[in-house]
Amino acid sequence: GESVGLHLPTLSVQEGDNSIINCAYSNSASDYFIWYKQESGKGPQFIIDIRSNMDKRQGQRVTVLLNKTVKHLSLQIAATQPGDSAVYFCAENSFSSSNTGKLIFGQGTTLQVKP
Amino acid sequence: GAGVSQSPRYKVAKRGQDVALRCDPISGHVSLFWYQQALGQGPEFLTYFQNEAQLDKSGLPSDRFFAERPEGSVSTLKIQRTQQEDSAVYLCASSTPIGANYGYTFGSGTRLTVV
Repeated sequence: GESVGLHLPTLSVQEGDNSIINCAYSNSASDYFIWYKQESGKGPQFIIDIRSNMDKRQGQRVTVLLNKTVKHLSLQIAATQPGDSAVYFCAENSFSSSNTGKLIFGQGTTLQVKP
Repeated sequence: GAGVSQSPRYKVAKRGQDVALRCDPISGHVSLFWYQQALGQGPEFLTYFQNEAQLDKSGLPSDRFFAERPEGSVSTLKIQRTQQEDSAVYLCASSTPIGANYGYTFGSGTRLTVV
């Protein structure tokens, strides 16, 4: 089928290496951030999230770093595996009183893992 | 089922035809979202329901787009007089109430192609 990642920036890594995917967000009022993984033909899958009162959060093999000063978010994947090959999106939200929980998605990055 | 179910998976429509896309959210999920994902882009918010109430429809691109969730469960996104620019994947997501669980669960989407 058609690739979700067509025309997106691509990061190519060797299996077993660490991967770092970056994202610049737009709204300084955003206070909640999520990383999603999307495989071809599937919907986005939640990976990890972070609130604006944190700088770092770790999950299983994944770490998210937040730099509010420069409005930058990164996703680190340790010991990258072929199954990690997908398109990765960052998303932001602002939980103001009027907010309905809608997410603003970034452009996305295609991760290719070479065996 | 345990996930968000969308049907049909693929839809080909002739320009000018009306289409209806269905979303079955996870049972008990109060919040339901529709997103549009063009090829090579991140998902873009269309509309949000809390139970049967449509609280935010700011992302609907034109009055040809209409969404409903009459009983607070299944939702339908309807597009009238389809145009080629409507070709995209339409994603549905559901979640427990905002503030209790920020995580979305997305369905696999409906790929609409207008010819």
